[in-house]
Amino acid sequence: NAGVTQTPKFQVLKTGQSMTLQCAQDMNHEYMSWYRQDPGMGLRLIHYSVGAGITDQGEVPNGYNVSRSTTEDFPLRLLSAAPSQTSVYFCASSQQGYTEAFFGQGTRLTVV
Amino acid sequence: RKEVEQDPGPFNVPEGATVAFNCTYSNSASQSFFWYRQDCRKEPKLLMSVYSSGNEDGRFTAQLNRASQYISLLIRDSKLSDSATYLCVVNGQAGTALIFGKGTTLSVSS
Repeated sequence: NAGVTQTPKFQVLKTGQSMTLQCAQDMNHEYMSWYRQDPGMGLRLIHYSVGAGITDQGEVPNGYNVSRSTTEDFPLRLLSAAPSQTSVYFCASSQQGYTEAFFGQGTRLTVV
Repeated sequence: RKEVEQDPGPFNVPEGATVAFNCTYSNSASQSFFWYRQDCRKEPKLLMSVYSSGNEDGRFTAQLNRASQYISLLIRDSKLSDSATYLCVVNGQAGTALIFGKGTTLSVSS
């Protein structure tokens, strides 16, 4: 039972590079979301999706893009990485937006 | 005002102590409330949901006061394994996604 799977677990990028953080869930959940966690800042919502084809911005969306072409996958794209995007990124899924969220193991991203 | 506010701590307690964490939320329309636990460098995991009438799970008791928009978590007989960060969580507007407090750090020592 995989639950929510994130790849990669660790990544180092140079400023200006682009990359995609992958997230997949096998629980047939409609809702998926991306959070970033920084020391002293807690988990902050980047983008979320209420179903395939539907995405919206969270609290800190700048510098990130998302798409949701299938129920299972919700990739997060960094178009031009900046040092301020150094963080731990968590993907989560839930049956509804107000029900228990299940998290992936996180991606630790460093931008140099 | 932040949507979910918690005292960051840290709370340093001896084994066997009782400790309480508090949390306030700003959206009076929120319907779902949770406490999550996060161990160092790990993903958050659900500790317990919080119901209007209050609920208990072993040594853990959660309370909700809708009028004051206040949530609490009580841990009795603390164990070393309770050392973690405890996150207060509330559903966002229009059921969009869950909103997390910054967390309260608990350290239990022998």
